[in-house]
Amino acid sequence: AQSVSQHNHHVILSEAASLELGCNYSYGGTVNLFWYVQYPGQHLQLLLKYFSGDPLVKGIKGFEAEFIKSKFSFNLRKPSVQWSDTAEYFCAVTTSGTYKYIFGTGTRLKVLA
Amino acid sequence: DAGITQSPRYKITETGRQVTLMCHQTWSHSYMFWYRQDLGHGLRLIYYSAAADITDKGEVPDGYVVSRSKTENFPLTLESATRSQTSVYFCASSEQYGQGEAFFGQGTRLTVV
Repeated sequence: AQSVSQHNHHVILSEAASLELGCNYSYGGTVNLFWYVQYPGQHLQLLLKYFSGDPLVKGIKGFEAEFIKSKFSFNLRKPSVQWSDTAEYFCAVTTSGTYKYIFGTGTRLKVLA
Repeated sequence: DAGITQSPRYKITETGRQVTLMCHQTWSHSYMFWYRQDLGHGLRLIYYSAAADITDKGEVPDGYVVSRSKTENFPLTLESATRSQTSVYFCASSEQYGQGEAFFGQGTRLTVV
């Protein structure tokens, strides 16, 4: 069965620092990849998604992610984080032949002002 | 207002009681999902549905029952609540098969005492 791993469970950064959150999936076929964000007390919102084409995708709020097929990875990046980026970030995958979204365990990001 | 709504937002119930969490979406999305969110586990898929009267088990379906008699509604029932089912439950819907954004409700925080 497909699965998603997020190895960074908690990340603490100062404002203006660069961010990279890891996401690896286990599936050898075609995948669709997503990053969601959950601000404290709120529901999940889509940051960005990858289906095909350019492996570097840009999302909202200055976030981007790069799909590296050979590494089964889809890492999330942001050049300069803000205090308002404090949230939990989830990577998710869907695979060919199914429509269910499988999520990773999430990464809690805290940005210090 | 259009969107996906969950009710109740908060629920406290006793062990052994039956409880139903409601989910309603106004977009007529075909695909709907129930997840539970627990610290350290991220979001785990309980049940999902491709259309009215079509449902499938996810990763953690034991102790839960779903129905989908109408496209817009996808209630989740805990037949006999246990303390291990204390969690935050999220309902989601999607228009496209595996590639579209999954839209999430605000969540239901369920406590089983």
